[in-house]
Amino acid sequence: DAGVIQSPRHEVTEMGQEVTLRCKPISGHDYLFWYRQTMMRGLELLIYFNNNVPIDDSGMPEDRFSAKMPNASFSTLKIQPSEPRDSAVYFCASNPSRKYTGELFFGEGSRLTVL
Amino acid sequence: AQSVTQLGSHVSVSEGALVLLRCNYSSSVPPYLFWYVQYPNQGLQLLLKYTTGATLVKGINGFEAEFKKSETSFHLTKPSAHMSDAAEYFCAVSVGYSGGSNYKLTFGKGTLLTVNP
Repeated sequence: DAGVIQSPRHEVTEMGQEVTLRCKPISGHDYLFWYRQTMMRGLELLIYFNNNVPIDDSGMPEDRFSAKMPNASFSTLKIQPSEPRDSAVYFCASNPSRKYTGELFFGEGSRLTVL
Repeated sequence: AQSVTQLGSHVSVSEGALVLLRCNYSSSVPPYLFWYVQYPNQGLQLLLKYTTGATLVKGINGFEAEFKKSETSFHLTKPSAHMSDAAEYFCAVSVGYSGGSNYKLTFGKGTLLTVNP
């Protein structure tokens, strides 16, 4: 099976621009997670979905961030407008509740640089 | 609520020396515990995990970890370090059961392992 697929792998943008990060979870996985990784804060959970429904978005830093999961095979994380402090690596991960092992399967990440 | 503390943000060892990366956790329910490794510019890769059963678990690349409930620890070891082990290592905890609403992993801050020739 293919792993979690994220795009783009790298994004460089200017402050104020809209950024959209994309994720395709592993087929059959009904939980999807968005994490952000920075040197200062480490890995932070931003939001997670179950069966396409957001369960906990308490980690979303502010209203500039939004996430959607229109179907079981696709999710987006949008930042509008972007700021330099949003520069980070954003990871998407998934896991299957029916074969629960606690393990998350991660994508390779999207490295965002906001100038 | 769960939390993970990794002692030492940076560990440096010589090639061939013992690797010991420390992890302590806090959990109000039986935990599942994980070690992930991240090589530069890559995603997180599972090294090993403890769910139930044997408390000494073996993972990839010669790493192993022991779950010690009395010490709330899950330290990662490797008898002999190799240059290719240089990476960042993350300890993580999740709830040890399915059901409910909490399937997320909580990560430690990470430990950067440097291996000197």
